[in-house]
Amino acid sequence: EADIYQTPRYLVIGTGKKITLECSQTMGHDKMYWYQQDPGMELHLIHYSYGVNSTEKGDLSSESTVSRIRTEHFPLTLESARPSHTSQYLCASSTLGAGPRGDYGYTFGSGTRLTVV
Amino acid sequence: AQTVTQSQPEMSVQEAETVTLSCTYDTSENNYYLFWYKQPPSRQMILVIRQEAYKQQNATENRFSVNFQKAAKSFSLKISDSQLGDTAMYFCAFMNYGGATNKLIFGTGTLLAVQP
Repeated sequence: EADIYQTPRYLVIGTGKKITLECSQTMGHDKMYWYQQDPGMELHLIHYSYGVNSTEKGDLSSESTVSRIRTEHFPLTLESARPSHTSQYLCASSTLGAGPRGDYGYTFGSGTRLTVV
Repeated sequence: AQTVTQSQPEMSVQEAETVTLSCTYDTSENNYYLFWYKQPPSRQMILVIRQEAYKQQNATENRFSVNFQKAAKSFSLKISDSQLGDTAMYFCAFMNYGGATNKLIFGTGTLLAVQP
C-alpha cells in the first residue's frame, strides 16, 4: 500500500547529539515537505523539495538540514540538538498535479515527536 | 504573503449535534485551493474536504460541508451529526493553484471535542 513512513515515532535525546529523522514515501511523489508542529499545534513549513537534488528552506527558519538523494527519501538532520528543537516533525509528499482525489496527492506521515533534554 | 486565521482555539459539541468551525484567509491570488484537515490524537493528518476557489458551489463530503465565501475570504466547515470519532484538531489550509511548490499554509487549528 502506498504510504509515507516516518521513523522514529518518538525520540528523547540529550543536548548536543546529532540526530536524523527519517521520511520515506512509496508513491513516487516528486515533492516532499517537512513541517514543524509546536506544542500549540501550529504547523510551519521548514523544508521542501521539488525532486532529487532539490531542497529549499521553508517559511520558518530552522537549524535543521535536509537532503534528497533519492525520490522516496527525505531525511532531516540536526547536527547538535537543543531543547528549543523539541517539537513534532511532520513529513509530507505531494504529486505534481491535482491527483485523483483533487488534493494534490498530499499525504502526511505519522510524525516524529522529538524531545531534547 | 498568504495567511490563514482560525479564531476558535477550542470548541465543544454534543454528539449528534451540528458544529461550525471558522476560517478566514488573506491572499491576492485568484486561483487557489482550500482544505480542511483533521488531526486526531494519533497525529496523522487526514484530509476532510477541499474547495477549489473557481467553483462557486460549496463542497460536501458526507457529514462535512463548507461555506465558501470568496469575496469575504471565508471558508467555514460544518460538521453535521457529530460523532465521538470527530474529536480532533482541525486545520484550515491554503494552497496557491499552479504554484511550483504545492505548499500548504495552515491556520493555527481548532480543537474540537465531541461530548457523549
